[in-house]
Amino acid sequence: EAQVTQNPRYLITVTGKKLTVTCSQNMNHEYMSWYRQDPGLGLRQIYYSMNVEVTDKGDVPEGYKVSRKEKRNFPLILESPSPNQTSLYFCASSQTGSGSYEQYFGPGTRLTVT
Amino acid sequence: GDSVTQMEGPVTLSEEAFLTINCTYTATGYPSLFWYVQYPGEGLQLLLKATKADDKGSNKGFEATYRKETTSFHLEKGSVQVSDSAVYFCALLYYGNNRLAFGKGNQVVVIP
Repeated sequence: EAQVTQNPRYLITVTGKKLTVTCSQNMNHEYMSWYRQDPGLGLRQIYYSMNVEVTDKGDVPEGYKVSRKEKRNFPLILESPSPNQTSLYFCASSQTGSGSYEQYFGPGTRLTVT
Repeated sequence: GDSVTQMEGPVTLSEEAFLTINCTYTATGYPSLFWYVQYPGEGLQLLLKATKADDKGSNKGFEATYRKETTSFHLEKGSVQVSDSAVYFCALLYYGNNRLAFGKGNQVVVIP
């Protein structure tokens, strides 16, 4: 089954404790992206990657890091989480090229930073 | 920069009522436009899309027409069901780099 998986689905942590949220897709997609969803703000893009070893900042990259060492994986790293990073996070992937390709979303990771 | 605006506030309506959610966009060039739906506790999934002016996207009884002259992509459904209760997001695709810009979303609640 074609899918994007994220782990963990729920995470409660404390300020300053480094964490990683994993994202994996099995569709051989070149493009992957991370979003955060906050009430009243919709989805905002954090980082994206057009292919292996190619990453770029989205609209709200501060406080986050990413890496793309393999095509299928795109982990999101919070080196020193703060309470304002409490949010619902989504990973997504899609094909690239001249078409208008659908983005496939993972189920989300709800992060609480206390 | 490119952006999407959705009408403010949640939408509450009765089963079998007509649904409209407004979406307007600002963009350079001619972006592709999308509606995504998020059911409770789930990720987003594509509902429909349109890639050029006057295209009509449709799926599951929902429709939206790409109107270049009014820069709009309003979502409509003629007769909603309780199962249509969800959050609906309008989005545009930035040309050339796969990035999506989302509107803030509209919570739709359908009452039996």
